[in-house]
Amino acid sequence: DAGVTQSPTHLIKTRGQQVTLRCSPKSGHDTVSWYQQALGQGPQFIFQYYEEEERQRGNFPDRFSGHQFPNYSSELNVNALLLGDSALYLCASSFETDTQYFGPGTRLTVL
Amino acid sequence: DQQVKQNSPSLSVQEGRISILNCDYTNSMFDYFLWYKKYPAEGPTFLISISSIKDKNEDGRFTVFLNKSAKHLSLHIVPSQPGDSAVYFCAALNSNSGYALNFGKGTSLLVTP
Repeated sequence: DAGVTQSPTHLIKTRGQQVTLRCSPKSGHDTVSWYQQALGQGPQFIFQYYEEEERQRGNFPDRFSGHQFPNYSSELNVNALLLGDSALYLCASSFETDTQYFGPGTRLTVL
Repeated sequence: DQQVKQNSPSLSVQEGRISILNCDYTNSMFDYFLWYKKYPAEGPTFLISISSIKDKNEDGRFTVFLNKSAKHLSLHIVPSQPGDSAVYFCAALNSNSGYALNFGKGTSLLVTP
């Protein structure tokens, strides 16, 4: 049973660019959440998608947007990248509001 | 503001002994709590959870205790094993207002042989 998968593993971008990160949920899960983990910090909630709609959003600017597809996979888009966006981006999936299970993350470096 | 706090950045324990990891929270509306373990270059792995209607939950070597009046929870690992060496995150959520997990900064546990 495949767990949560994320791509790419690592990514290097320059300031002002745009980036798209991808997530495939665990089999049987229909809900995807995205978190940002800065160095030395715990993960911070960005938003959650359910039934292809953004169900809840954390305290992140509009530069952060997302999408969920009919197969429950999801994308996180970040526009106009800033140096401070450098972090580990974690995707978590769940069945509705049950326990969230995390993927390995995408390490984004903004130069 | 940090609503979930793990005040010990690191903890070192001998193999076979008990590891106790602590977590405090400030939001009295939190009603569900989880512990995750994270190895380097991996995502957090779910360990154990507890609802606010309980004060204890056990799963094998892992036990979580919840003291609602003190807004405090702890994770006990008995006996500790070298493979338990990882960063442990405490997380909390208010199931009535959403599904966002609020995480602490983590405690790095080192279990020495």
